[in-house]
Amino acid sequence: EIVLTQSPATLSLSPGERATLSCRASQSVSISLAWYQQKPGQAPRLLIYDASNRATGIPARFSGSGSGTDFTLTISSLETEDFAVYYCQQRTNWLTFGGGTKVEIK
Amino acid sequence: QVQLQESGPGLVKPSQTLSLTCTVSGGSISSGASYWSWIRQQPGKGLEWIGYIHHSGNTYYNTSLKSLVTISMDTSKNQFSLKLTSVTAADTAVYFCARLYGDSFDFWGQGTLVTVSS
Repeated sequence: EIVLTQSPATLSLSPGERATLSCRASQSVSISLAWYQQKPGQAPRLLIYDASNRATGIPARFSGSGSGTDFTLTISSLETEDFAVYYCQQRTNWLTFGGGTKVEIK
Repeated sequence: QVQLQESGPGLVKPSQTLSLTCTVSGGSISSGASYWSWIRQQPGKGLEWIGYIHHSGNTYYNTSLKSLVTISMDTSKNQFSLKLTSVTAADTAVYFCARLYGDSFDFWGQGTLVTVSS
């Protein structure tokens, strides 16, 4: 099973700041990596698929990069609605999720 | 726009079987490119993939749950279902159904809380 490790666990930032979230895989997943946003009481929402492709309707301030074992989700300028928990997910070897990064208001 | 809706009991007794159904609208579960999935989230925890089914009937389960889980589908009703046997308090969670397209989940149900308690 591929383990996805997300860091940091919590990111405290202010609106307008840049957020950089990391996801590291225990073995290569090529570009088979997705990112999700989840707000309290809601289902996750797909943000990025295949490491760097924005899903339908996702604002351009969200971007994904990386391949192999190291991936990054960047939010270029945080809006108030972006404060949430973010998960990465792979499907190269079965299917696993990372433990999540909470982006909170500083 | 594909929509998914979970339904089923919100309370299950320990050692019994948890049964949930996901009704899909706006698209056919017989679509060749899609896998229909169950994911759960224990209170305050992260996401755990349970398994998925393809319209061919092929199923794939999380190895940690494989012996306890059955996912099936009813194409005539455009539904797929989850059965989890011998539940314990650790199976208390919000259960989501979702569509896996390619390598990611693009559409999700709103989730349903299932509590395991006597």
